[in-house]
Amino acid sequence: ETGVTQTPRHLVMGMTNKKSLKCEQHLGHNAMYWYKQSAKKPLELMFVYNFKEQTENNSVPSRFSPECPNSSHLFLHLHTLQPEDSALYLCASSQGLAPISYNEQFFGPGTRLTVL
Amino acid sequence: DAKTTQPTSMDCAEGRAANLPCNHSTISGNEYVYWYRQIHSQGPQYIIHGLKNNETNEMASLIITEDRKSSTLILPHATLRDTAVYYCIVRVAVGNYGQNFVFGPGTRLSVLP
Repeated sequence: ETGVTQTPRHLVMGMTNKKSLKCEQHLGHNAMYWYKQSAKKPLELMFVYNFKEQTENNSVPSRFSPECPNSSHLFLHLHTLQPEDSALYLCASSQGLAPISYNEQFFGPGTRLTVL
Repeated sequence: DAKTTQPTSMDCAEGRAANLPCNHSTISGNEYVYWYRQIHSQGPQYIIHGLKNNETNEMASLIITEDRKSSTLILPHATLRDTAVYYCIVRVAVGNYGQNFVFGPGTRLSVLP
């Protein structure tokens, strides 16, 4: 247990569906992240939030829409996805973005997404 | 692109020390070296980090060369549960808040009975 939970753990959806992934951290952290891990590929950073404000969007298609209502919760809203979006989606949190001593990221177990 | 290079895979006998190398020849003076690992289908797990000095914690030791161009992660007594992909990461800065980690392909460590 890392203190970061993700639901659901597995999700199968059609290309016309709308679904949401949820992440919750119980660590009192201020920064939260979404990563995508496709089969046999390294992790790719998608979004970074700090104190509920989005600070990074790594050229992610608009069919992925993040939401951070507070520092403990992070959502990833999905709509009109493509089969190539099938991947493991990982959420992480860290105490902050600076200074360096707060760099350690705690990852959730991920949501395994399959788009049919 | 990741700023580190690691071997694609390594094997280690159970109970022996696992030494995982990492090259980061372009590391700058204020960048830290981090190690994470990812057991199959789980989220990455933090192991250790360091700047210049060697570091040790309950999981592993980190040896950084004096010129900081390479480092070695040491698992002193590898167990089967240490089988995972190990990522060596140099903290990079992106925009004004840079805190993301660039994960390369890592080293797949197989601990053999």
